[in-house]
Amino acid sequence: QVQLQESGPGLVKPSETLSLTCTVSGGSISSYYWSWIRQPAGKGLEWIGRIYTSGSTNYNPSLKSRVTMSVDTSKNQFSLKLSSVTAADTAVYYCARVLVLHAFDIWGQGTMVTVSS
Amino acid sequence: QSVLTQPPSVSGAPGQRVTISCTGSSSNIGAGYDVHWYQQLPGTAPKLLIYGNSNRPSGVPDRFSGSKSGTSASLAITGLQAEDEADYYCQSYDSSLSGGAVFGTGTKVTVL
Repeated sequence: QVQLQESGPGLVKPSETLSLTCTVSGGSISSYYWSWIRQPAGKGLEWIGRIYTSGSTNYNPSLKSRVTMSVDTSKNQFSLKLSSVTAADTAVYYCARVLVLHAFDIWGQGTMVTVSS
Repeated sequence: QSVLTQPPSVSGAPGQRVTISCTGSSSNIGAGYDVHWYQQLPGTAPKLLIYGNSNRPSGVPDRFSGSKSGTSASLAITGLQAEDEADYYCQSYDSSLSGGAVFGTGTKVTVL
């Protein structure tokens, strides 16, 4: 079955760019929307944005000025870049597959990213 | 910035029925968009529990059921079990968010 795995640095310095990659295994990345979602410790879930395999994107307006998503269908991967990070960006970051009804049916295990000098 | 409101916590004894409400607005649930529910066990990723308001993915027990009416939705757990102790989140689509998903504030279910 389809599985997702996030990867990237666990520690990012303030003002720098957070970069994460999600690798899709067990199935094709094509013909789906894929999303990034984050969760600060002890808090709720926040949708960051989504990307289609064509490269079309939608971002959360509250993060839009700092977010860039991309997809590499040849590697079955999609990526997140979040620029100018602060401590408020410290969270577990999840990648997820989006169903046609906008539900997230498959999630990665999550990766903790801490913003600190 | 959650735009779907849930009670912070609900509790019940084993075997009881509990419900979790999810209140939205005219730009999300009230606009006709589907509501989905997730269960998050401690230290794990959320798991899709209900999609399309009332549909259960394969493998989800029929003790879990969902409904939607107007600008609100509900998740019911009948025959509460110790393993149901977790955080639960509702989620929908919001037309004011440029194609974006919105999550509920989350509800902690405690089995007494």
